[in-house]
Amino acid sequence: QVQLQESGPGLLKPSETLSLTCHVSDDSINTYYWGWVRQPPGRALEWVASIYRAGNTYYNPSIKSRVTISIDTSKRQFSLRLTSVTAADSAVYYCARKTATAFFDVWGQGTQVTVSS
Amino acid sequence: DVQLTQSPSSVSASVGDRVTITCRASQDIGTWLAWYQQNPGKGPKLLVHSASTLQSGVPSRFTGSGSGTDFTLTITSLQPEDFATYYCQQGYGFSITFGQGTRLEIK
Repeated sequence: QVQLQESGPGLLKPSETLSLTCHVSDDSINTYYWGWVRQPPGRALEWVASIYRAGNTYYNPSIKSRVTISIDTSKRQFSLRLTSVTAADSAVYYCARKTATAFFDVWGQGTQVTVSS
Repeated sequence: DVQLTQSPSSVSASVGDRVTITCRASQDIGTWLAWYQQNPGKGPKLLVHSASTLQSGVPSRFTGSGSGTDFTLTITSLQPEDFATYYCQQGYGFSITFGQGTRLEIK
């Protein structure tokens, strides 16, 4: 079973840029879609972005102007970049594998991101 | 964007009970709907996809149904490990949305 592991800074200041990476344990990075989902404390899940290989990216319209998702299949990893963060971006960020039928069947353990001055 | 409305937002039940959670989409999404279970401090677990297809390894007491705009997740004979929060998610088009969640509590 493929495993996903998120990494990135746990604490940022307002206006900084968040960079997260998700490492994929096997070569399925070449054949699946991948995505990021976040969950603010005590709140619902929110899809952030998805990617398939390098040329197909999809973003949540509500934060599209600040988000970039990218993939490096040679390193078996994909990444998320979120600019100009505010306290509203504080959340647990999950990376996940997305099937062709648009559902997330494998999830990372999640990484807590806190934005605070 | 497609909006998903789950009901109820929370429900109390006992071990052995049957519970039904509903998810209504703001437009026709066919069967592009999934259900997830999330326990505190854990990532979500896919239970049902394509509205009614049970994910491999998920117990048969979980049943998904519906199409178009109205969907349900039914759990029969509740077990202690089923008390968690449940989310629906739609994958119609390029934008993905989740419902607001239903918290299933022990009565």
